Amino acid sequence: DTEVTQTPKHLVMGMTNKKSLKCEQHMGHRAMYWYKQKAKKPPELMFVYSYEKLSINESVPSRFSPECPNSSLLNLHLHALQPEDSALYLCASSQDGQTSVKETQYFGPGTRLLVL
Amino acid sequence: DAKTTQPPSMDCAEGRAANLPCNHSTISGNEYVYWYRQIHSQGPQYIIHGLKNNETNEMASLIITEDRKSSTLILPHATLRDTAVYYCIVRVRSGGGADGLTFGKGTHLIIQP
Repeated sequence: DTEVTQTPKHLVMGMTNKKSLKCEQHMGHRAMYWYKQKAKKPPELMFVYSYEKLSINESVPSRFSPECPNSSLLNLHLHALQPEDSALYLCASSQDGQTSVKETQYFGPGTRLLVL
Repeated sequence: DAKTTQPPSMDCAEGRAANLPCNHSTISGNEYVYWYRQIHSQGPQYIIHGLKNNETNEMASLIITEDRKSSTLILPHATLRDTAVYYCIVRVRSGGGADGLTFGKGTHLIIQP
C-alpha cells in the first residue's frame, strides 16, 4: 500500500474559524511533510516532521500549526486564516530521510481550502 | 540544491515518445536528479531519479549527460493520461535528515490525440 490519504477533500472556512486538515499513511514512513500549492504554481514546502518531531518550518505564519500525534498521522491546525491562504494543501511521506538509499516522497491528493 | 530550468510547455502526439529536457548546469557531485509529475487536481507522483548513469523503470527513462549539466526524461509511448506538469528536481541525498522537495515551475506536457 503506497497510499497517503487526506481529509477533507474540500474545506470552506471563514477567517474566524478553527479547522484541521488530516493526513494518514500506513507505509511505516517516519518522515512526513506539508506543502502548500497556490493555483498554477508549484508546491511549496511548509513543514517537515521526522520521527514525530518538527525538523523544518519554512517560516510559516503561526496561524498554521502542525501536529504529529503518532508516526502514521499528521495534522495541520488552521486558525484565523486569510483569503490569500486559499490553496491546495498537500501532505507527503517518505521512509525516514536518514538513509542514503532511494527515498521517494509519496503525496496525498490534497485538501482544497477556500478561506472566505 | 541546484536550480533547474525547464521549458514551460510541450506538446506530444499520443503514441509517440515524449522527451522532456531539464538543465541543471550548477549541479554538484552529490546531487541527484529527480522527476515528479502532477496530473491536474492530484498530488505529485514520483517518476524516476538518477545520479550519473541512465536509468529506466516501468514509467520512464532518464538520460543524464556525461557532464551532468542536463538530463532528459523520456516517456516511450505517451498516452493521454500522461498529460501533466513534469518537475525536474535536483537534490542532495544525504543522511542528514528528512528534507522537502523544492519544485521549480515544471513543464506542462500536453499529449495530443
